Amino acid sequence: AQSVTQPDARVTVSEGASLQLRCKYSSSVTPYLFWYVQYPRQGLQLLLKYYSGDPVVQGVNGFEAEFSKSNSSFHLRKASVHWSDSAVYFCAVSIGGNTRKLIFGLGTTLQVQP
Amino acid sequence: GPKVLQIPSHQIIDMGQMVTLNCDPVSNHLYFYWYKQILGQQMEFLVNFYNGKVMEKSKLFKDQFSVERPDGSYFTLKIQPTALEDSAVYFCASSLEGEEVFFGKGTRLTVV
Repeated sequence: AQSVTQPDARVTVSEGASLQLRCKYSSSVTPYLFWYVQYPRQGLQLLLKYYSGDPVVQGVNGFEAEFSKSNSSFHLRKASVHWSDSAVYFCAVSIGGNTRKLIFGLGTTLQVQP
Repeated sequence: GPKVLQIPSHQIIDMGQMVTLNCDPVSNHLYFYWYKQILGQQMEFLVNFYNGKVMEKSKLFKDQFSVERPDGSYFTLKIQPTALEDSAVYFCASSLEGEEVFFGKGTRLTVV
């Protein structure tokens, strides 16, 4: 069975600082990997996804994530955060194929201070 | 971008009564999903639906739960009868294929 761990429930950074949100997964096969963001009173929006190939994937709004098979990780990064990045970020995995369900982590609440 | 609409955003229901949560998925999507999120806990998969049939369901998808999408209209989640532990935010989602899944804003269900 797959599982996702986001070890940081809350992260606070200053505007303009760099950011890393951690995600570790457990799966018997290499899964598809996703980062979603949830702004207040909004649904989840896909930031980026990894299926195969280059382990560094680019997403929207300057976000990127790096897949590491050896570490079973898929950390999210941004070089310089903006106050509007404040939201809840969810890491998720799917093994694809006929199983199309997403397994989510608990989420990390990001607060960007001005 | 494509939007999944959920109606209503909040619903309060007496325990034991029936409730139907409505979802208007993205128009050309083929796969439909419901997820459940209890406050402070992770979002958990309930069920996915394709071509008029349930493809997969989790252990959270109790016998009191059912889903349907009659005539390509709303994709609904019905709970009959409701229980206190059904209180949660229910997210509807849809996808054309399986990879990029679009989510609605959720319906907060409160069973009293």
